[in-house]
Amino acid sequence: DAKTTQPPSMDCAEGRAANLPCNHSTISGNEYVYWYRQIHSQGPQYIIHGLKNNETNEMASLIITEDRKSSTLILPHATLRDTAVYYCIVSPDTGRRALTFGSGTRLQVQP
Amino acid sequence: EAGVVQSPRYKIIEKKQPVAFWCNPISGHNTLYWYLQNLGQGPELLIRYENEEAVDDSQLPKDRFSAERLKGVDSTLKIQPAELGDSAVYLCASSLGGGRTYEQYFGPGTRLTVT
Repeated sequence: DAKTTQPPSMDCAEGRAANLPCNHSTISGNEYVYWYRQIHSQGPQYIIHGLKNNETNEMASLIITEDRKSSTLILPHATLRDTAVYYCIVSPDTGRRALTFGSGTRLQVQP
Repeated sequence: EAGVVQSPRYKIIEKKQPVAFWCNPISGHNTLYWYLQNLGQGPELLIRYENEEAVDDSQLPKDRFSAERLKGVDSTLKIQPAELGDSAVYLCASSLGGGRTYEQYFGPGTRLTVT
C-alpha cells in the first residue's frame, strides 16, 4: 500500500471547520483513500473513502486533488466530540485487506 | 445492531502467565481481524480470517501467540507465555468481505498490562 504523511497534531476551534491534510504521492491507480478516526479508549471508526472524486457523507467531506497525490478531510462544524486521532489510509478496493495505519493526526477541538 | 464485542476490556497479568481475548464480530461479517496497538501508534495487523480460515498470519508471533475462529464466527486470541512487551491494546475488527466493501468495524479493544 502507498505510504501516507500527516501532520502529527492540529487544533481547531469548536464550531469551525477542521481541515486535515494527507499526502500520498505514491498512490496507485487502484488505491482508494480511506479516513478512520480513533477517539480515546475506543476502536477506530470509519469516516469516509474516495477514489478520485470528492465525497461527502453525514460525518465529513473528502477532497482529493486532481493528481490524487494528496487529500483533505473536512469536518464542517467541529465539536468537542470530534477530538480524536485521524488516520489517512491508502489501500486497494477490497474489504478483505488489512488496514495499514500510520501515526495519524491528533485533532484537538478547543472550546 | 450490535457492534463488535470484545472481552475482557482490561486484563492485568504477571509475565509468563497465559491470557486469552475473545471477539464476537458483527453478524454476517465473514472477515475478522486482530490488530495490536502499542501506545501512541496506529494498530498493526496480527491475523486475518476469511470465515474460519486464517488467510494472513504473517505478523503473528507464532512462538507465543495463537488464534482460532471456530465455525467462522467468534474468535479467540491467546498469548502463552505473556512477556512484558506484550502490554498493548488488542483490537478485533470485522467486515463483510468480498470485493466491494470498504468499512472495517472495530471493537473497543482489550487493554493488556503485563507486570
